[in-house]
Amino acid sequence: DGGITQSPKYLFRKEGQNVTLSCEQNLNHDAMYWYRQDPGQGLRLIYYSQIVNDFQKGDIAEGYSVSREKKESFPLTVTSAQKNPTAFYLCASSIPEGPYEQYFGPGTRLTVT
Amino acid sequence: AQSVAQPEDQVNVAEGNPLTVKCTYSVSGNPYLFWYVQYPNRGLQFLLKYITGDNLVKGSYGFEAEFNKSQTSFHLKKPSALVSDSALYFCAVLAQAAGNKLTFGGGTRVLVKP
Repeated sequence: DGGITQSPKYLFRKEGQNVTLSCEQNLNHDAMYWYRQDPGQGLRLIYYSQIVNDFQKGDIAEGYSVSREKKESFPLTVTSAQKNPTAFYLCASSIPEGPYEQYFGPGTRLTVT
Repeated sequence: AQSVAQPEDQVNVAEGNPLTVKCTYSVSGNPYLFWYVQYPNRGLQFLLKYITGDNLVKGSYGFEAEFNKSQTSFHLKKPSALVSDSALYFCAVLAQAAGNKLTFGGGTRVLVKP
């Protein structure tokens, strides 16, 4: 099966702990993205990467970090500096030269207490 | 900067009736427009896109959308709604000049009643 996998589906952490969310794709897409979804606010871009070993901040990068050491993988770390980390996190990938649409993983729901 | 507006938080429609979900956009240059659907606790599924060509775009599950450049709109339509179409729908615009980033609207919840 081709697609994007995110693990785990549900994640619980104590405040002050860093946590890493996994995103893997076998679509051979160059570009990968991380979004945060909060109720009633749609999706907001955290980080994106268009090529291995390169990534850019999105609209809400503060308190998050990423790496892109392999084409297939784009893990997101939610650090203790993120003031409100409880949210639904979605990973996506695309071919930026076209056909442009992004394909999404199933998401990880992070709850920090 | 690009933006997308979905003016309705929720749309209610009876099964079998036509369904329309509204979207307007603002972007520099040619608009690349997309519709996605999200079911509870799931990722987004791609429905359709407009890049160029015919203003009426057909997509998955019987959905279609009409691109209107003068009104900067890209409304999603389905001639006959099903109860299973009940979900959250997102419109998005891609800005090539901004690293191919997608900007999403706030989403419209569709409720199809039997």
